[in-house]
Amino acid sequence: GAVVSQHPSWVICKSGTSVKIECRSLDFQATTMFWYRQFPKQSLMLMATSNEGSKATYEQGVEKDKFLINHASLTLSTLTVTSAHPEDSSFYICSALKQGVTDTQYFGPGTRLTVL
Amino acid sequence: DAKTTQPPSMDCAEGRAANLPCNHSTISGNEYVYWYRQIHSQGPQYIIHGLKNNETNEMASLIITEDRKSSTLILPHATLRDTAVYYCIVRVDNSGYALNFGKGTSLLVTP
Repeated sequence: GAVVSQHPSWVICKSGTSVKIECRSLDFQATTMFWYRQFPKQSLMLMATSNEGSKATYEQGVEKDKFLINHASLTLSTLTVTSAHPEDSSFYICSALKQGVTDTQYFGPGTRLTVL
Repeated sequence: DAKTTQPPSMDCAEGRAANLPCNHSTISGNEYVYWYRQIHSQGPQYIIHGLKNNETNEMASLIITEDRKSSTLILPHATLRDTAVYYCIVRVDNSGYALNFGKGTSLLVTP
């Protein structure tokens, strides 16, 4: 397997503030990382694809100016939720693509964001 | 990517084999079958994947029918810790694209 970490595991913030979530691949390099969001009792929804050294690709309906993604190295991608509002409260999960004979996505443990 | 169909929920007694089915009748020749699971409030965990041959690892076995239109994930001796939502996903390998998650099967392992 492979290990992907996320920090923080949970965060509570006030409405209007910004929150940064880090995603790290600990034992492999990942050119591509993905960010998902999961609301209660729902499945994971892809937000964006992050490629090292280039701009992220966002899914339809995801505001790129609100969810800033930076993938500055082969082991780190960050998601910044800007001007957070209560409706942004969700479980944010990243994954890193490990390339080999076949590609496998490994997921982080998730970050629970609560916006008051 | 091909669409998959899974039962919404299943029960299994602890210690017995859990057989989770998945239909993917529109699968293409270059699409792999991936299985992940998500334990409550955690990130998804990779289980296994395969193209056409049956696969086995320390977690589970994957049985793919000869026509590749369906597959079964087998947990040989289910434990309470196997209670989770199991996702069957079909995707072209080496595409660089993200996995798209459906609703999965909620497996409850009972004592």
